[in-house]
Amino acid sequence: SQKIEQNSEALNIQEGKTATLTCNYTNYSPAYLQWYRQDPGRGPVFLLLIRENEKEKRKERLKVTFDTTLKQSLFHITASQPADSATYLCVYDYKLSFGAGTTVTVRA
Amino acid sequence: GAGVSQSPSNKVTEKGKDVELRCDPISGHTALYWYRQSLGQGLEFLIYFQGNSAPDKSGLPSDRFSAERTGGSVSTLTIQRTQQEDSAVYLCASSFAPVSRTGASYEQYFGPGTRLTVT
Repeated sequence: SQKIEQNSEALNIQEGKTATLTCNYTNYSPAYLQWYRQDPGRGPVFLLLIRENEKEKRKERLKVTFDTTLKQSLFHITASQPADSATYLCVYDYKLSFGAGTTVTVRA
Repeated sequence: GAGVSQSPSNKVTEKGKDVELRCDPISGHTALYWYRQSLGQGLEFLIYFQGNSAPDKSGLPSDRFSAERTGGSVSTLTIQRTQQEDSAVYLCASSFAPVSRTGASYEQYFGPGTRLTVT
């Protein structure tokens, strides 16, 4: 069955450093992947969409890569700030099938 | 422009009562989705509308749950004979483009949710 996994449930990082989150998928070749951010008590907020024929996508301090050979997408937050603390979700279908995501905590 | 709105923001109801949750999507968005999220858990897909029809209602937990969409706009999620396990945040989202044949969707924009508490 199709499966998508994020590398860890929690990531703690010092302010100013780069946070890197990993999304791996198996038994599926998604045409694109989406990344969302969710803050406690709020609905997810769309961040970036990357297509299978795109190697990299950027938005401000965010960068997403898509490696169809490794079946992996990497999500980077550069120059991280405490305000970046949230749960980040990698999804590939309209049901937003994913686990609980990766919770990032940026320490000041 | 206005985002997705949901009402009420909070609803406390007694076990056994019926509740209606409303979602107003972004104008022009053809696709509408309902999810629910229990505390500390991931999103649970409930139903997807394309226009006024629901190609996928596979996530509705039981026949106590139903949803409709009228005029390709507002949607109502109805829970009959509520149970305590129905307590959760119910989220609605909309997207401009419909779901593709491969099941992929473009970005979804979420409303603030309705927090339902069944006592």
